[in-house]
Amino acid sequence: KAGVTQTPRYLIKTRGQQVTLSCSPISGHRSVSWYQQTPGQGLQFLFEYFSETQRNKGNFPGRFSGRQFSNSRSEMNVSTLELGDSALYLCASRRGANTEAFFGQGTRLTVV
Amino acid sequence: AQSVTQLGSHVSVSEGALVLLRCNYSSSVPPYLFWYVQYPNQGLQLLLKYTSAATLVKGINGFEAEFKKSETSFHLTKPSAHMSDAAEYFCAVSVNYGGSQGNLIFGKGTKLSVKP
Repeated sequence: KAGVTQTPRYLIKTRGQQVTLSCSPISGHRSVSWYQQTPGQGLQFLFEYFSETQRNKGNFPGRFSGRQFSNSRSEMNVSTLELGDSALYLCASRRGANTEAFFGQGTRLTVV
Repeated sequence: AQSVTQLGSHVSVSEGALVLLRCNYSSSVPPYLFWYVQYPNQGLQLLLKYTSAATLVKGINGFEAEFKKSETSFHLTKPSAHMSDAAEYFCAVSVNYGGSQGNLIFGKGTKLSVKP
């Protein structure tokens, strides 16, 4: 059974650009969450989608957005990139509300 | 609000020694608690979870954790450390949405070093 797949694994962008990251959840999982991991702030929750609806959102600026498609795949977008957006972005999927989250290997975004 | 505190950002043990990683939580409702492990340049792997069943939870790779409500703790232990246990460990609590699990709130992490 395939795990959570995130693409791309590594990305280098220039300040001011925008970026789209992709996450394919485990087959049958309807929930996808996104987290940002930085050395200074640790792991912080960005947003969660369940059956194409945003269920909850963390405390991030509006430059961070996401969506979920009917096949449960999810994308997150960051516009007007800042140097501080450099981080490991992790996606996690769950089958349902009371099940554990499984994480992908992450996308390492570097903003220069 | 729910939160998690991990005591000790770095822990070093000798191979074969006891591993003890500390986690304390804050929650006004019965919590769902988790321990995850992260190897360099990898995502998070679930070690074990507490969801209000048995207070002593056994996980993968010989790890276990005990939920102590009176101490609001969920410490992770392993009787005998192995070199392959060197990694970063995260304790997490799941936000409670009317009885169902929401997003995870993570502690700052503890880096475990294992000396030969």
